[in-house]
Amino acid sequence: RKEVEQDPGPFNVPEGATVAFNCTYSNSASQSFFWYRQDCRKEPKLLMSVYSSGNEDGRFTAQLNRASQYISLLIRDSKLSDSATYLCVVPPPYNTDKLIFGTGTRLQVFP
Amino acid sequence: DTGVSQNPRHKITKRGQNVTFRCDPISEHNRLYWYRQTLGQGPEFLTYFQNEAQLEKSRLLSDRFSAERPKGSFSTLEIQRTEQGDSAMYLCASSWGQAIEHNEQFFGPGTRLTVL
Repeated sequence: RKEVEQDPGPFNVPEGATVAFNCTYSNSASQSFFWYRQDCRKEPKLLMSVYSSGNEDGRFTAQLNRASQYISLLIRDSKLSDSATYLCVVPPPYNTDKLIFGTGTRLQVFP
Repeated sequence: DTGVSQNPRHKITKRGQNVTFRCDPISEHNRLYWYRQTLGQGPEFLTYFQNEAQLEKSRLLSDRFSAERPKGSFSTLEIQRTEQGDSAMYLCASSWGQAIEHNEQFFGPGTRLTVL
């Protein structure tokens, strides 16, 4: 089983839609979880950290389910500018600086 | 520009040649990381430094790969006897961190390597 697994997509949604991505992780002892965003041909950038049961930042909500070992990212009121690849990141518990990325989920928002 | 910079941005080489990439982190950052990303995949961790000390190396980093950060500032990643399978985007990131606390990693634009 891969350490971090994501549905690669693509998810094609209209502007204004709500879309959710899931990510599963294999190490039940992991304590830190992140979502990074990567635009086409650009470097990854931190979108959100998920340290406890979840958090919200504007239109973006991240949730953590430790029992089922998955995290989710919900995007409400999608904008064209949200089109990107969303990377789930779960470092190992012994080293939170060693980022383990999923394959990423590609989102395309259309007018 | 005070972000992470990488040079060159693109490198095309023939199989068997050696290549070297450079990363200049954000100036006050003490940690520096190297990742590799192939098409359709997320970045894969290769190695990282705290100041000049190399703290961890991935199994992906074969003996043809070597990374240095001699003065705790910029870093170089060298690949000897390149193979076509080395073709990828090589990403560098930096952060400021103490002990085991996690701090945001800031990525550079990457060096795209093509091995013919």
